[in-house]
Amino acid sequence: AQTVTQSQPEMSVQEAETVTLSCTYDTSESNYYLFWYKQPPSRQMILVIRQEAYKQQNATENRFSVNFQKAAKSFSLKISDSQLGDTAMYFCAFMNTGNQFYFGTGTSLTVIP
Amino acid sequence: DGGITQSPKYLFRKEGQNVTLSCEQNLNHDAMYWYRQDPGQGLRLIYYSQIVNDFQKGDIAEGYSVSREKKESFPLTVTSAQKNPTAFYLCASRRRPDLREETQYFGPGTRLLVL
Repeated sequence: AQTVTQSQPEMSVQEAETVTLSCTYDTSESNYYLFWYKQPPSRQMILVIRQEAYKQQNATENRFSVNFQKAAKSFSLKISDSQLGDTAMYFCAFMNTGNQFYFGTGTSLTVIP
Repeated sequence: DGGITQSPKYLFRKEGQNVTLSCEQNLNHDAMYWYRQDPGQGLRLIYYSQIVNDFQKGDIAEGYSVSREKKESFPLTVTSAQKNPTAFYLCASRRRPDLREETQYFGPGTRLLVL
């Protein structure tokens, strides 16, 4: 089975600053997808960004970007120019070749005004 | 508006009682999923269905049952065999399970509490 590890249960960042959330995973597969989801206090899960393992270029979505290191099985999320609305729980997720999703335990991010 | 609805928002279960959580989507998505979320444990897959009248067990299916009689509906029953059902339950759907780049879309969740 695949495992996803988020080693930072809680993080905080000053508004307008940059923060990086870490994620590592364990798999023997070569073709997979990785995702970052955001869960604000409303509990509604929202996709932040996705990365295909075969693509070497790191994905970027506005202020959100990833640092995908396939050999190291690392998939960190960088949030630039942090905003108060970024305060949420962030989950890293792995999708295997069978299209099953595995989630990490989450990182609670607080943006401080 | 297209989306996924889950009802009720809060559900209370008495000991020995079966309860059913509703999940409906009008996105015309083929695949649907049920996850359980506990504090400090992230999301764990209970059941998933990639097509009508077919479903597979996830990692923690014991004590749960599902049906997929219609494309838009995927109800989850928490049976009395589930000894620790208190959790937040999330339903998700995915347009085409055969397209790897497709992500999941989540409903607002149901909080189940045992009395």
